[in-house]
Amino acid sequence: AQSVTQPDIHITVSEGASLELRCNYSYGATPYLFWYVQSPGQGLQLLLKYFSGDTLVQGIKGFEAEFKRSQSSFNLRKPSVHWSDAAEYFCAVGTTGTASKLTFGTGTRLQVTL
Amino acid sequence: KAGVTQTPRYLIKTRGQQVTLSCSPISGHRSVSWYQQTPGQGLQFLFEYFSETQRNKGNFPGRFSGRQFSNSRSEMNVSTLELGDSALYLCASSLESMRGADTQYFGPGTRLTVL
Repeated sequence: AQSVTQPDIHITVSEGASLELRCNYSYGATPYLFWYVQSPGQGLQLLLKYFSGDTLVQGIKGFEAEFKRSQSSFNLRKPSVHWSDAAEYFCAVGTTGTASKLTFGTGTRLQVTL
Repeated sequence: KAGVTQTPRYLIKTRGQQVTLSCSPISGHRSVSWYQQTPGQGLQFLFEYFSETQRNKGNFPGRFSGRQFSNSRSEMNVSTLELGDSALYLCASSLESMRGADTQYFGPGTRLTVL
């Protein structure tokens, strides 16, 4: 069965600093990978996704992520964080054949200091 | 195009009652999935419906059920509510075209509180 690990429960960065959120997955074949963001009291908003092809994917709000098969990782990055980026971030994996059953990591809460 | 809508947004019930939550997918989307989000267990997959048929099911007791209508709208039902059912219930829809996997788009959720 597939699984996702987000090792950082909580991260604090200063506004304008760079950000990297870690995500490791476990799945035998090539997975479908996603990053979602959730603001308090809200649903999940898709930031970006990887299905195949170029391993560096660009998303909304200036986020990008890199798929590294050798490390089973899909880390999320942003070069300069804004205070409005404070939220909870979830990495998710969907299995080959269907992406309608997502397995999520436990999430990383991002705090941004001014 | 309107996003995924869920009703009601907030719900308070007492133990032993049952509850029905509703989800309207994005127009043209044929797959609807449901997830439960709690502080302790995180986001967990409940089930997925496609063309009015349950196609995938998570590891939840039979008290949790769902259905999908011909217009792709979906409902989930929880019977004999327990305190532990208090959670944010999220619905997601995807196109599920024949070309393969598609992205799931989430609604705002229904916050269920069981007293």
